[in-house]
Amino acid sequence: AQSVTQPDIHITVSEGASLELRCNYSYGATPYLFWYVQSPGQGLQLLLKYFSGDTLVQGIKGFEAEFKRSQSSFNLRKPSVHWSDAAEYFCAVGSNFGNEKLTFGTGTRLTIIP
Amino acid sequence: SQTIHQWPATLVQPVGSPLSLECTVEGTSNPNLYWYRQAAGRGLQLLFYSVGIGQISSEVPQNLSASRPQDRQFILSSKKLLLSDSGFYLCAWGTGEYNSPLHFGNGTRLTVT
Repeated sequence: AQSVTQPDIHITVSEGASLELRCNYSYGATPYLFWYVQSPGQGLQLLLKYFSGDTLVQGIKGFEAEFKRSQSSFNLRKPSVHWSDAAEYFCAVGSNFGNEKLTFGTGTRLTIIP
Repeated sequence: SQTIHQWPATLVQPVGSPLSLECTVEGTSNPNLYWYRQAAGRGLQLLFYSVGIGQISSEVPQNLSASRPQDRQFILSSKKLLLSDSGFYLCAWGTGEYNSPLHFGNGTRLTVT
């Protein structure tokens, strides 16, 4: 069975600083990988996805993620965070059932300080 | 464009009372539909999914049930709520096509007292 680990429960960064959120997955085949963002009290919005091809994936809001098969990782990065990036971030892996039956990590809450 | 609606946004119910949460999708036909739950301090857990009317698959044994009476309607129910049913419930839809992500509703915050 697939699984996702987000080792950082909570991260605090200064506005303008760079950001990296970690995600490690376990899956027997080529994974479908996603990052979603959840603002307080809201649903999830897709930031980016990896299915195949280029291992560096660009997403919305200036985010990018890099798929590293050798490390089973799909870390999310942003060179300079904005106060509006404060939210909860979820990494997810898709199963053999198309790419929709997602297994999510427990999330990383991002706090931005001035 | 496609939209997904969930209601209510917030719900407070006593233990032992029934539950009905509704989700509808507009702008697409024959979507795959999903119910996820997000418990406090935990990630999202897939509860049910449906690939068509009347077709429901349950991922975890629980006090809840799901139904899909119409193509774009997905309902989450319980006959008697437990305290442990509290959480944030998210409905999502997808096309089932390669390279197509899930689209989530804004969720329902359920507090069982």
